[in-house]
Amino acid sequence: DAGVIQSPRHEVTEMGQEVTLRCKPISGHNSLFWYRQTMMRGLELLIYFNNNVPIDDSGMPEDRFSAKMPNASFSTLKIQPSEPRDSAVYFCASSHDRGGYNEQFFGPGTRLTVL
Amino acid sequence: AQTVTQSQPEMSVQEAETVTLSCTYDTSENNYYLFWYKQPPSRQMILVIRQEAYKQQNATENRFSVNFQKAAKSFSLKISDSQLGDTAMYFCAFMNPLGTDKLIFGTGTRLQVFP
Repeated sequence: DAGVIQSPRHEVTEMGQEVTLRCKPISGHNSLFWYRQTMMRGLELLIYFNNNVPIDDSGMPEDRFSAKMPNASFSTLKIQPSEPRDSAVYFCASSHDRGGYNEQFFGPGTRLTVL
Repeated sequence: AQTVTQSQPEMSVQEAETVTLSCTYDTSENNYYLFWYKQPPSRQMILVIRQEAYKQQNATENRFSVNFQKAAKSFSLKISDSQLGDTAMYFCAFMNPLGTDKLIFGTGTRLQVFP
């Protein structure tokens, strides 16, 4: 299996631009997570989907952030408009929810720089 | 709310020696999972070891072992026979399996292994 795939690996944009990050979970996994990693706040969960439905979006910073999962094999995280403080590494992770413990497998991350 | 604290921002150890990374957490739950993740310079998040709170026996994975003290809410990672490839950021994390499966991370400890 190819693992969790994220694109792009690096993104540099200017303040005010729209940014879309993409994630393809491991085939057969039904839970998907978006995490953000910054120096100031460390790793924090932004949103969690189960069976394509957003279950917990309490970590989404503000209305500029939105996430979708139109099908089991694809998710996007969009920032519009982007701001310099959004610069971070964004990780996508997936797991197979069978109850109890479900190991999360992380993608390689997208490093976002907003100038 | 659950919190995870790693009080050692940086640690260093000589190759072949043993090093212990500290982690404390706070929760009112009785059943939960604790993890140590490794993040090398490649940025990939790699699961090192997992501990179920209902198990008294400390988890071990080859050179990696934990000291889980439930009453003290302490979860330290011991790396034996340190290798240069162990150089990385190490994150302690908590998961409540009855919740949304989200991982709550500590701020990390940067480990440098010297030859």
